[in-house]
Amino acid sequence: GAGVSQSPSNKVTEKGKDVELRCDPISGHTALYWYRQSLGQGLEFLIYFQGNSAPDKSGLPSDRFSAERTGGSVSTLTIQRTQQEDSAVYLCASSSQGARDTEAFFGQGTRLTVV
Amino acid sequence: KNQVEQSPQSLIILEGKNCTLQCNYTVSPFSNLRWYKQDTGRGPVSLTIMTFSENTKSNGRYTATLDADTKQSSLHITASQLSDSASYICVVNHNTDKLIFGTGTRLQVFP
Repeated sequence: GAGVSQSPSNKVTEKGKDVELRCDPISGHTALYWYRQSLGQGLEFLIYFQGNSAPDKSGLPSDRFSAERTGGSVSTLTIQRTQQEDSAVYLCASSSQGARDTEAFFGQGTRLTVV
Repeated sequence: KNQVEQSPQSLIILEGKNCTLQCNYTVSPFSNLRWYKQDTGRGPVSLTIMTFSENTKSNGRYTATLDADTKQSSLHITASQLSDSASYICVVNHNTDKLIFGTGTRLQVFP
């Protein structure tokens, strides 16, 4: 597609359930970022993938959070045993690293509500 | 540690007034800096890009400045409009290796 695509756009889940969020980056972009944004708050870094390098997982808030990127393209963010504090908008961005004018292109986000 | 800090965290102004948002960074080496605008319910979109050698760049009513010596950037909005209400995010390119994002400034413009 022409832009970064995230699915689902909205997800309501019960506390304790697992959820999977998907990000389809722009074709050819080697870098992929996951961020989350709680209501009224700024961006919180979660994880960064760059090509075949080991991902930077330094932002993952707990071991309930994990992410993978298969074949250097689509990425899935998994949250196990969801808690109410996990409620947020989860944003994915991709960019073509290695260029001096690198721009990050964001998806529309997945709004996760844990009830 | 490579960090990007923005201030203020939030700002309220009246329509027609000017405002300035600040971005301080400790990212080194530095490649470029972008300001993004994030409307409510949407993903951030790039407003301006500035490289090491650029001091000022304008995009309509938005003017970004960069002082690479002090590692500071500002985004000045002139004659604000209701549609300027959004979050503004400063993003620094860590020498083409990784993008470092600030947490953003939430701007609200009231009539």
